[in-house]
Amino acid sequence: AQSVTQLDSQVPVFEEAPVELRCNYSSSVSVYLFWYVQYPNQGLQLLLKYLSGSTLVESINGFEAEFNKSQTSFHLRKPSVHISDTAEYFCAVTQTGANNLFFGTGTRLTVIP
Amino acid sequence: GAVVSQHPSRVICKSGTSVKIECRSLDFQATTMFWYRQFPKQSLMLMATSNEGSKATYEQGVEKDKFLINHASLTLSTLTVTSAHPEDSSFYICSARPYKWAGETQYFGPGTRLLVL
Repeated sequence: AQSVTQLDSQVPVFEEAPVELRCNYSSSVSVYLFWYVQYPNQGLQLLLKYLSGSTLVESINGFEAEFNKSQTSFHLRKPSVHISDTAEYFCAVTQTGANNLFFGTGTRLTVIP
Repeated sequence: GAVVSQHPSRVICKSGTSVKIECRSLDFQATTMFWYRQFPKQSLMLMATSNEGSKATYEQGVEKDKFLINHASLTLSTLTVTSAHPEDSSFYICSARPYKWAGETQYFGPGTRLLVL
């Protein structure tokens, strides 16, 4: 069985400060890992994903996440946040041969001016 | 990018009535579509997976007779909540995936908020 843990339900951070949103997963097999973002009143959008290869993956808007197999983590980071980054962020995992995604409970990032 | 639409975006109905929610992939063919339910301040819970032309696969605890899923074409899946009750009030989200490969991105619809009175 797989599960995803996002320990922080809410993360307030000042504008231009760095942020890290934590994600840990449990799985006994190979996995693919995803971060999705949900802006207010909108659907989920893929932010970035890890499939294989380099353990550090980046998005076009400055976010990055690093796959750490030994710590079973896929934390999301950004060195300098903007007001527009305020949203709900979901970490998700799927087995490489499976069909569906398992989501964490989400982390609400609030950027304070 | 790939776009998935849902209709309606919001629906209010009386207890005992049935509600149909449509999910469409607008610019790609979706081999697989997924239906999720999201409770306030909680994560998405997968309800069922539907493949075009075959019966949906329901997750444990989801009543297949209550949540009817039809994936009639490669661009349309519908979820019908039959005999809705107030406890069915929730945010329903669909997603579509172009291929069956697990690493392929799922594209999500904007969601449908259902309120049963």
